[in-house]
Formats: sequence, structure tokens, C-alpha cells
Amino acid sequence: EDQVTQSPEALRLQEGESSSLNCSYTVSGLRGLFWYRQDPGKGPEFLFTLYSAGEEKEKERLKATLTKKESFLHITAPKPEDSATYLCVAGGFKTIFGAGTRLFVKA
Amino acid sequence: DGGITQSPKYLFRKEGQNVTLSCEQNLNHDAMYWYRQDPGQGLRLIYYSQIVNDFQKGDIAEGYSVSREKKESFPLTVTSAQKNPTAFYLCASSGTGGRAKNIQYFGAGTRLSVL
Repeated sequence: EDQVTQSPEALRLQEGESSSLNCSYTVSGLRGLFWYRQDPGKGPEFLFTLYSAGEEKEKERLKATLTKKESFLHITAPKPEDSATYLCVAGGFKTIFGAGTRLFVKA
Repeated sequence: DGGITQSPKYLFRKEGQNVTLSCEQNLNHDAMYWYRQDPGQGLRLIYYSQIVNDFQKGDIAEGYSVSREKKESFPLTVTSAQKNPTAFYLCASSGTGGRAKNIQYFGAGTRLSVL
């Protein structure tokens, strides 16, 4: 069965404390692995697409990486404004959404 | 600015009432989607449309209906048959051709509650 599992469900960091969010996926015919940021009460905002194992993408303090079974979203020296829910999405024959990781960054 | 506009932001439904959520896009995208988001769950697909005058059921279509008469518009009706409609509803669209068609762009959402 196709599925996307994100961990942890919630992550609390101090400002400047780097960490990683995990996304494990089992999807038939993977065409792309997507990361989105979602703020409370708003729609998801597109961050990255990764298409093949070994690929990496960076944007400000965020870096996304992809293996054949997992994707990681690394957050370097986070700031309070990075607090949000981060969604992992696997695009295959169907599009499967993970439940998200809620990130809280305290000043 | 190009984007996806959902309205209203908040909507309240009375027992036995049908309500319609609006979704308009000016991105010239062919494909449009409706999702439902509940706390602690991933987004679930209600309906999608890849071209005007055509749409397909998603995983949780029961109690919902859609139309796609114009490329720019994809309204969702939550009917009285949907017994648990309270949720956050998200509309998305994606382009066609190559890898661009895989990236979905989302509206700001409509929060539906039952009175």
C-alpha cells in the first residue's frame, strides 16, 4: 500500500538549534517527492521538488535530500519564523500526503 | 499576481443544507483538485479535474459534488449527505507538460463548520 510517514509529529527547537525532519515513503511509480510549508489556517506553500535519489535542494536555512526510501528536511540554525507544519508529499500514480511535522522554534 | 483564490475563508452550514466553496485560479493550469484536511491527518483527495467539463472522484467523494465549466473555476458543493463536513478545505491546481504538472499550488483554504 502506498504511504508516506513523517516523523517526528512535533519538534521543538531553540533558535539556532539545527535538526532534521524525516519522511519515509512507499509509493508506486514515484515521479517526485515534494516538500511544503503550511502556516496555521493557511494553504501549503511549495518549497522543493526532488526527483531522484542523491538529489539535494536548498533554500535559505532549509535543505532537502532524497534517498530511495526517505527524504530529509534539514533545518540549519532555525529562527522563530521557521515555525510551521512541514508536509512531505510523494507524487506517483497517486499523490500521497504525509500528516506533517509541526515545528516550533523558540527564541 | 497569479494564484488561487478560495472563498469564503469561513463558512457555516446548517443541518440539511448544501453549501458551495469557490475556487478560482489565474495560473492557466489545466488540472485542479479539492482536498480535505483534518487534524493529525494528511490531505485527502475529494475530486480532481484534468480538463474542462471532466472530473474524477478522489478517495472521499461521497457527499460532495463538483463542476468544471470553465478552466479557471472548480467549485465544490458539500451536500447534506456529507454527515461530517467540519474540516479545512483546500483547492489546488497544477500545470501540464513535463515535471511542472507534478507540482500543485494551493489556495488559502476554507474552514467549514456545522452550526
